[in-house]
Amino acid sequence: AQSVTQLGSHVSVSEGALVLLRCNYSSSVPPYLFWYVQYPNQGLQLLLKYTTGATLVKGINGFEAEFKKSETSFHLTKPSAHMSDAAEYFCAVSDPGGGSYIPTFGRGTSLIVHP
Amino acid sequence: ETGVTQSPTHLIKTRGQQVTLRCSSQSGHNTVSWYQQALGQGPQFIFQYYREEENGRGNFPPRFSGLQFPNYSSELNVNALELDDSALYLCASSLGRDQPQHFGDGTRLSIL
Repeated sequence: AQSVTQLGSHVSVSEGALVLLRCNYSSSVPPYLFWYVQYPNQGLQLLLKYTTGATLVKGINGFEAEFKKSETSFHLTKPSAHMSDAAEYFCAVSDPGGGSYIPTFGRGTSLIVHP
Repeated sequence: ETGVTQSPTHLIKTRGQQVTLRCSSQSGHNTVSWYQQALGQGPQFIFQYYREEENGRGNFPPRFSGLQFPNYSSELNVNALELDDSALYLCASSLGRDQPQHFGDGTRLSIL
């Protein structure tokens, strides 16, 4: 069985500051890992994904995440926050080695950006 | 390229009623998944359809049922609605079972 823990239901940063959203996962096989963003009254949009290969993954809107197997983590970062980054962010894991590509989502982290 | 579209956008029902939600997948996508997202929670997997066959099911009772049509559009049916069924229902389509999912904007279902 797989699971995701997102540390912090809310993260508040100032515009221009570093964004760090934390995600730890549990998986019995090498996982696929995802970050999605959800703006109010909208569905989820894929920011980036890790399947195999390079552990540092670059996504859209300047976000990136690093897969650290030893720490079972996949934290999302962005060097400089913009007001438009304010949204809900979801980390997700799937177990392709176990035959399932269906992602399990975390509870989400709300990113608040102050001027 | 048309994305994933869901209808209706909002719906109000009363306990015990039945509801059908619809999803048109993105062009060329043969896999559709449905999720329930309660307020303040992440999406919870309901079930997935791949080429008109159910390909997996989450921990939801049988009163949640679905269908995928030859054009890969899909329906989610919920019978005997309960207050706890109030949520945002999201549909996602993908090119295959192992491909990233593209989400629609959801249907907001409120049960009175």
